[in-house]
Amino acid sequence: DARVTQTPRHKVTEMGQEVTMRCQPILGHNTVFWYRQTMMQGLELLAYFRNRAPLDDSGMPKDRFSAEMPDATLATLKIQPSEPRDSAVYFCASGLVVTGVYEQYFGPGTRLTVT
Amino acid sequence: TQLLEQSPQFLSIQEGENLTVYCNSSSVFSSLQWYRQEPGEGPVLLVTVVTGGEVKKLKRLTFQFGDARKDSSLHITAAQPGDTGLYLCAGGGFMDTGRRALTFGSGTRLQVQP
Repeated sequence: DARVTQTPRHKVTEMGQEVTMRCQPILGHNTVFWYRQTMMQGLELLAYFRNRAPLDDSGMPKDRFSAEMPDATLATLKIQPSEPRDSAVYFCASGLVVTGVYEQYFGPGTRLTVT
Repeated sequence: TQLLEQSPQFLSIQEGENLTVYCNSSSVFSSLQWYRQEPGEGPVLLVTVVTGGEVKKLKRLTFQFGDARKDSSLHITAAQPGDTGLYLCAGGGFMDTGRRALTFGSGTRLQVQP
């Protein structure tokens, strides 16, 4: 049963520290998405990649956030420096385009708390 | 600005009742998906609809895509406690914005009491 894995599942850090979240997409999926979920804003798309190339990162604060795919088995989302307003659950999803539609499979998320 | 509005935001019902959740937008979608999310987990895809007027059934769940492809509904018959969760709609391929990836609605939190 193939699944998207994310590490760490929980992260508590102090304001100003660097945070790196990792995602292993499902083997064979060529698209990877990063989302942030909060009670106030809901689920927001931060960035996504196809075949490891960034397609859209317009939802991501550029000054402190960066997303990369060093290889097909690893996607990373980095926040530097972190701020309390970054506290949220960050989801990675991998997927395929099926008849013109993205079908996404979400990981369990990383719950980030910045104090 | 939320492109996709879901209603109601919260719904608490008794086991066996029927319910409908709505997803509305002023934009046209090329596709509409529904997801269910349980606490501590990521959303899970339930269905994808791509044709205006399309109706899909998944056991006790019925999904409908509006004729103009701007709205969708999810109807659950004889709800069960296992249906409890956050229901999210997601629109893809907004033709008037050129955005290709999915945009998620605000969600409907459903609780089914035994």
